[in-house]
Parts: sequence; structure tokens; C-alpha cells
Amino acid sequence: KAGVTQTPRYLIKTRGQQVTLSCSPISGHRSVSWYQQTPGQGLQFLFEYFSETQRNKGNFPGRFSGRQFSNSRSEMNVSTLELGDSALYLCASSLPDRTYGYTFGSGTRLTVV
Amino acid sequence: DAKTTQPNSMESNEEEPVHLPCNHSTISGTDYIHWYRQLPSQGPEYVIHGLTSNVNNRMASLAIAEDRKSSTLILHRATLRDAAVYYCILTGAGSYQLTFGKGTKLSVIP
Repeated sequence: KAGVTQTPRYLIKTRGQQVTLSCSPISGHRSVSWYQQTPGQGLQFLFEYFSETQRNKGNFPGRFSGRQFSNSRSEMNVSTLELGDSALYLCASSLPDRTYGYTFGSGTRLTVV
Repeated sequence: DAKTTQPNSMESNEEEPVHLPCNHSTISGTDYIHWYRQLPSQGPEYVIHGLTSNVNNRMASLAIAEDRKSSTLILHRATLRDAAVYYCILTGAGSYQLTFGKGTKLSVIP
């Protein structure tokens, strides 16, 4: 059974640019969540989607946005990149009742220069 | 979600049992106790979760205090591959996010 797939694995962008990250959940998982991990702030929740609807949102500025498609694949977008956006971005998927918890991908390492 | 308290770090000898404690004195009646771990250069990995009763799975056991104000993750025989940061997280029944603290960094000594 394929795990959660995140692409790309690594990305280097310049300040002011925008970036789109992709996440393909485990087949049958309709909930997709995104997290940001930095050495200073640790793992922080960005948002969660279920059936193409955002159900929950963390405390991040509006430059961070996401969406989910009908096949449950999700993308997150960060506009007007800042140096502080350099982080590991993790995607997680789960069954609706979270019986087996959340399954995380390996993440996308974003570096903003 | 209610807050959890874990030791910053712990050490264990290889092939010995490890008991990782977590305090959650403000837990509510509907909060689930989740444990995740994160190995170096990987995303977090689900370990186990429970509500009131002790739980066992192929990875670990979860012992929950009778008053639910604390819990312990038990790794029965630590291996070098168990060296990771372990997070204890509470989630409400209607919550769709995980609030990670700093976790416990477990070192396994060969």
C-alpha cells in the first residue's frame, strides 16, 4: 500500500516568489492536513481538508493557502515568500474516524534565499 | 486541545524496555491520547492511541492512568531504530489537528 507522497522533496526559491507543494494521500484517505516544521517553532498545524473543504486552519498568515481536489490530492501554496518560510512542510492523511491515526509523508524541504 | 508535559530527553540501553511518561492533568473526558514519533529526516509516525483503557499494538503499549491525568508509552525492547523524538498529543473528539509539543528525545545506547 503506497504511503503519503509529497512532491517535490526539495525546493529552493527566492524571496518574493510563490511556491506550490503537492500531496497525494493514501488511497481511501479523504482527510489531508498540512504542517510546518522549523527548528525554532517545531511542528505547527497549517490547515486540514476533507472532501475538498477546509475544516480547520492554524494560526498562519493568509499567504499560506491550500486546496483539495475531488481525488483527495491536496496542494498548498505560499505566496510572497519570506526567509522565515524556510521549513520542512509535511502532509498527513487519515481515515475519517482516524482509527489508525495520521500517516505523514516525508515532507518537502523548502529553502528561501 | 489540552497541554501535555514530557521529559526533554531519555536514554535506554538496547534490548531493554523503555517507559516514556506523559502528564496531561487538564485532559477532558473526550480527549484521546496519541503518541507519534519522528525519526531523523522523516515525517512523524503514528505509534498508538487510546481513550481510557490500556492499548497494545505491534509497535508499543500505552498504559493510561485510572484518572487519565498521565500515560506511559512502553517500548518492550528498545532497538537502535527506536531512537527518535516521541510526542504525546491530546486530541478532542471533534478536533482535526495535532498540536505537537517538544516531545521526548529518546537515545538508545548499543
